[in-house]
Amino acid sequence: LAKTTQPISMDSYEGQEVNITCSHNNIATNDYITWYQQFPSQGPRFIIQGYKTKVTNEVASLFIPADRKSSTLSLPRVSLSDTAVYYCLVGDSGYALNFGKGTSLLVTP
Amino acid sequence: SAVISQKPSRDICQRGTSLTIQCQVDSQVTMMFWYRQQPGQSLTLIATANQGSEATYESGFVIDKFPISRPNLTFSTLTVSNMSPEDSSIYLCSVHPAGGRTDTQYFGPGTRLTVL
Repeated sequence: LAKTTQPISMDSYEGQEVNITCSHNNIATNDYITWYQQFPSQGPRFIIQGYKTKVTNEVASLFIPADRKSSTLSLPRVSLSDTAVYYCLVGDSGYALNFGKGTSLLVTP
Repeated sequence: SAVISQKPSRDICQRGTSLTIQCQVDSQVTMMFWYRQQPGQSLTLIATANQGSEATYESGFVIDKFPISRPNLTFSTLTVSNMSPEDSSIYLCSVHPAGGRTDTQYFGPGTRLTVL
């Protein structure tokens, strides 16, 4: 499994766009990049997954440069309810998800 | 997607006792997983539970300590045996619905266990 590095914490105000970058320098050819969100006292929730370029869904966008050594999760116009821990995972469809330490996002008014 | 429930949602137990955690899914799934999340930490996979076969445990986890049952395609249990305070954690089950990549898993709400 490729090792990932992401900021331990981030702060944002409501209504701002938040970009969380994840570094994965040793990503393998078959690896996908997956992001999960975990609210306090809840299990993680799958947000988005991509292999290259850009992926967008109703929750977030995922930007992946051509070299795939990093990726950026973009949350548009965050609200207080987006306060959560965000995990970046990189792997080749293995069952043992390596969640790492994640990024704790705090959104304030 | 899949809707997953866990029972109990939380419990406080005495050391030396055992607790069985239940995981129920609203659809049939082949792959079910059990994770542990210690206070302030990330998730660690305990074992993979497939219906009709023995569970597969990750390094550092053994069947005697964490026996798992998987009687059908919608249900599994994890028992935490002979508990000590170090077992205080959140225990989560997850499933991988048929089709798609296995790194897209759906998680239950977790069981918060405190061992005194």
